[in-house]
Amino acid sequence: DVKVTQSSRYLVKRTGEKVFLECVQDMDHENMFWYRQDPGLGLRLIYFSYDVKMKEKGDIPEGYSVSREKKERFSLILESASTNQTSMYLCASTPRRDSPLHFGNGTRLTVT
Amino acid sequence: QKEVEQDPGPLSVPEGAIVSLNCTYSNSAFQYFMWYRQYSRKGPELLMYTYSSGNKEDGRFTAQVDKSSKYISLFIRDSQPSDSATYLCAMSGRRSNYQLIWGAGTKLIIKP
Repeated sequence: DVKVTQSSRYLVKRTGEKVFLECVQDMDHENMFWYRQDPGLGLRLIYFSYDVKMKEKGDIPEGYSVSREKKERFSLILESASTNQTSMYLCASTPRRDSPLHFGNGTRLTVT
Repeated sequence: QKEVEQDPGPLSVPEGAIVSLNCTYSNSAFQYFMWYRQYSRKGPELLMYTYSSGNKEDGRFTAQVDKSSKYISLFIRDSQPSDSATYLCAMSGRRSNYQLIWGAGTKLIIKP
């Protein structure tokens, strides 16, 4: 069974802090994704990666960056956290671009 | 106007009822339609996948696509309390997770 693990369930950070959200998958999947989920807005794609060191911007990349140095790990970085980045962040992985997404259980980030 | 509209609910029905969940969309290029289920404090998981128009059945679940009306539905027969979750629709014009557009999700509550 595929497991996508997000390192923190809840995170509280201050405005201006640099924030790292970590995601690890154990199924050797090529593709990994970062979404944010907000009430009334659904899931919005921030960044995705289709291979080690490869990344592509999603629909809302502003204020975020990502890192994929190893196949199993995909990190989301908030360079300078702002209150409008308070959200639920979901990581997902998939072996092929057309395969079902396997999601982690999310990190709820609060920026104060 | 959002590309995909989904009533956020909550939708509360008694156990055993037939449930109808719906999404409307504006982009006639969408051909791939998915329903994901998200339990509280969990990530979404794929429930149903359909291509183009028509119906698809899987146990108590039926997914229906009406491309002429730009309308998709998920029916749940003999609903159970364990079906209580948020149901998210997602769709794209190509068979690719890189371009999914998500609805906001409908919260469903099945009362015992």
